[in-house]
Amino acid sequence: EAQVTQNPRYLITVTGKKLTVTCSQNMNHEYMSWYRQDPGLGLRQIYYSMNVEVTDKGDVPEGYKVSRKEKRNFPLILESPSPNQTSLYFCASSSRDGQETQYFGPGTRLLVL
Amino acid sequence: DAKTTQPPSMDCAEGRAANLPCNHSTISGNEYVYWYRQIHSQGPQYIIHGLKNNETNEMASLIITEDRKSSTLILPHATLRDTAVYYCIVRVARSYGGSQGNLIFGKGTKLSVKP
Repeated sequence: EAQVTQNPRYLITVTGKKLTVTCSQNMNHEYMSWYRQDPGLGLRQIYYSMNVEVTDKGDVPEGYKVSRKEKRNFPLILESPSPNQTSLYFCASSSRDGQETQYFGPGTRLLVL
Repeated sequence: DAKTTQPPSMDCAEGRAANLPCNHSTISGNEYVYWYRQIHSQGPQYIIHGLKNNETNEMASLIITEDRKSSTLILPHATLRDTAVYYCIVRVARSYGGSQGNLIFGKGTKLSVKP
């Protein structure tokens, strides 16, 4: 089954404790991205990757890092989480077709105390 | 800012057609209209997209006006499971030199399907 998976699905942590949210897709997609969703602000893109070793900032990259060492994986790293990073996070992937559809993961709900 | 305008909410009776409007009066000639939906904090789900012609798939139909300034998503027989926020998004396809695949989600329309 074609899918995007994220782990963990729920996470409670404390300010400053490094964490990683993993994202994996099994569709051999080149393009992957991370969004965060906050009440009243909608979904906003954090980082994206056009292919292995190619990443770039989205609209709200501050406080986040990403890496793309393998095509299927695109982890989101919070080196020093802060309470304003409490949010619902989604990973998405798509092919390089001109009219590509984006497939979203189930989401990771993060609470930073 | 999103390039689209949608009503904040709509109701629909179960089994009836749900018609969700979207205004995109500033759409460019190479921009597509995409529809996604999000069921209660799940990941957004692609529904359908189109450029000029009306489109239909197993989930929905998309009707785009001739001047392309507005469109309507039609769910022909709405069920309770179609209760969700529906997003209308306008973007350039990559084949036309569009930017990376950042989808700009507006506030969408919250569709409530009632028994």
